[in-house]
Amino acid sequence: NAGVTQTPKFRVLKTGQSMTLLCAQDMNHEYMYWYRQDPGMGLRLIHYSVGEGTTAKGEVPDGYNVSRLKKQNFLLGLESAAPSQTSVYFCASSSRTGTLYNEQFFGPGTRLTVL
Amino acid sequence: SQQGEEDPQALSIQEGENATMNCSYKTSINNLQWYRQNSGRGLVHLILIRSNEREKHSGRLRVTLDTSKKSSSLLITASRAADTASYFCVPAGSNYKLTFGKGTLLTVNP
Repeated sequence: NAGVTQTPKFRVLKTGQSMTLLCAQDMNHEYMYWYRQDPGMGLRLIHYSVGEGTTAKGEVPDGYNVSRLKKQNFLLGLESAAPSQTSVYFCASSSRTGTLYNEQFFGPGTRLTVL
Repeated sequence: SQQGEEDPQALSIQEGENATMNCSYKTSINNLQWYRQNSGRGLVHLILIRSNEREKHSGRLRVTLDTSKKSSSLLITASRAADTASYFCVPAGSNYKLTFGKGTLLTVNP
């Protein structure tokens, strides 16, 4: 049971390049999230998904796209990377018990630098 | 979703001492969650306390919740150097989305 995994762990991009971050969870969770964490800013929600085939915008969605074609995977894409997207990216997943929402499980993060 | 406000922002103690962190929030909740983040790592869920609970224990952790005061506290007893981390309180309403604040940075000195 690996929990939430993220690939890659580190990446350096040049401005304008594109890349995809992959998040996978093996807990059969309905909900998945992408956050970014910058010094002094806490975690900010980029996009999230409430189920396979559905995605929605979070707090800071500009410059990112996401897809959830399979329940266990949530992809975050940067079409044209900018230095402002230098950050640590975390993926998380969670489930629901009846009407109660449960805790989120986080991946180890991807450290992205855009030059 | 709403954000919790942790206090203090930073706390430095000696190994073996107890550490207490406080959290305040503004609106009604279904549960309140505490997370830990070691430097450079992902967040780890520590404990979830539901709105109808007043106290919960997990190992060396004790969490209290006072919904009338909209506040919670996290007590870590007999702290260890490995407890050095940032701690986040996250109030959760009827929404699967969570909002994380800046946390309390706990430093446990050997």
